[in-house]
Amino acid sequence: AQTVTQSQPEMSVQEAETVTLSCTYDTSESNYYLFWYKQPPSRQMILVIRQEAYKQQNATENRFSVNFQKAAKSFSLKISDSQLGDTAMYFCAFTPWGQNFVFGPGTRLSVLP
Amino acid sequence: EAGVAQSPRYKIIEKRQSVAFWCNPISGHATLYWYQQILGQGPKLLIQFQNNGVVDDSQLPKDRFSAERLKGVDSTLKIQPAKLEDSAVYLCASSLARDTEAFFGQGTRLTVV
Repeated sequence: AQTVTQSQPEMSVQEAETVTLSCTYDTSESNYYLFWYKQPPSRQMILVIRQEAYKQQNATENRFSVNFQKAAKSFSLKISDSQLGDTAMYFCAFTPWGQNFVFGPGTRLSVLP
Repeated sequence: EAGVAQSPRYKIIEKRQSVAFWCNPISGHATLYWYQQILGQGPKLLIQFQNNGVVDDSQLPKDRFSAERLKGVDSTLKIQPAKLEDSAVYLCASSLARDTEAFFGQGTRLTVV
């Protein structure tokens, strides 16, 4: 079975500081995509960043970057210069090519003023 | 570009009643997903459509849940009869293909009393 684990149920960070959210996954597939989604209180899931497993270069999107370690099956999200609007649930998700998404249990991030 | 539309936003029903949710995906998106998200958990896939065909419904409780996607566009998810444990947010998502990022609607919060 393919699983996604997020070992930090809750985290907090001071505004303007940097925080890293952890994610590990288990799969026997060699080709897949990894995603981080953000879910604010409005409930709508919003894509934060995406990584293709065949790419060695870590993806970045403005203040968001990932540390993708394929051998370790690790995919952490780093948020730099945290803003109050970053407060949300963050879900790590994984999809092997041609198959459906598997989501982790989520990490609740609170950015403190 | 219009997003994924879902209705209703909220629904409260008594156990053993029936309920239906509607989803209109982003235009041109062939893949449509229905997820169940229980409070404090990550989304769990219920059913995945590719155009109007079912790709994966392995986690759909078929004795009470049904879904259809007529003409490969809109989709409805029905629960009949509802149980207390069906209380959750039901998220619809769509994507261009089966392994590209999914775009989510705002979800329907179902409360079964």
